[in-house]
Amino acid sequence: RKEVEQDPGPFNVPEGATVAFNCTYSNSASQSFFWYRQDCRKEPKLLMSVYSSGNEDGRFTAQLNRASQYISLLIRDSKLSDSATYLCVVNAGSARQLTFGSGTQLTVLP
Amino acid sequence: GAGVSQSPSNKVTEKGKDVELRCDPISGHTALYWYRQRLGQGLEFLIYFQGNSAPDKSGLPSDRFSAERTGESVSTLTIQRTQQEDSAVYLCASSPGQGFQQYFGPGTRLTVT
Repeated sequence: RKEVEQDPGPFNVPEGATVAFNCTYSNSASQSFFWYRQDCRKEPKLLMSVYSSGNEDGRFTAQLNRASQYISLLIRDSKLSDSATYLCVVNAGSARQLTFGSGTQLTVLP
Repeated sequence: GAGVSQSPSNKVTEKGKDVELRCDPISGHTALYWYRQRLGQGLEFLIYFQGNSAPDKSGLPSDRFSAERTGESVSTLTIQRTQQEDSAVYLCASSPGQGFQQYFGPGTRLTVT
């Protein structure tokens, strides 16, 4: 089983839609969680950290469920500019590095 | 402030040649990472440096790959006797410490012909 698993998609949604991605992780000792965004042929950039109590940043909401070992990202009122690959990132307990999921591809359609 | 920089941005090399990729992390960042990303694939961890500790080389795919870092500054990733399957984007990231947000450079796109 992969340390971090994501549905690769693609998710194709119309502008204004709400879309949610889930990510599961295997190491229950994981402590740090992030969502990164990667545009086509660009480097990944941090979208938001994920806190135990859940957190919101504008149209983006991140949730953490430690009991079920999954993280979610909710995007409300999707914009064309939200089209990208969303990477789930976990400190997988190795105390050495973050582990990146393979990403979920989102395309927001006009 | 300046972000992570990498050079060259693109490199085309012939199979069998050696290549050296460079990463300049954000000043003051103690952690430095190298990743490989093949076209349409996720990030593949290669190596991690943290301060003066021994690097975590667990992700290096073969002994043709090696990396060095001078103190908490520049790092170089060397690939010897390149193969076509080495073609990928090589991304460097730095972080204030382990488990913190990583800041990525723009990557070096390597093409082995």
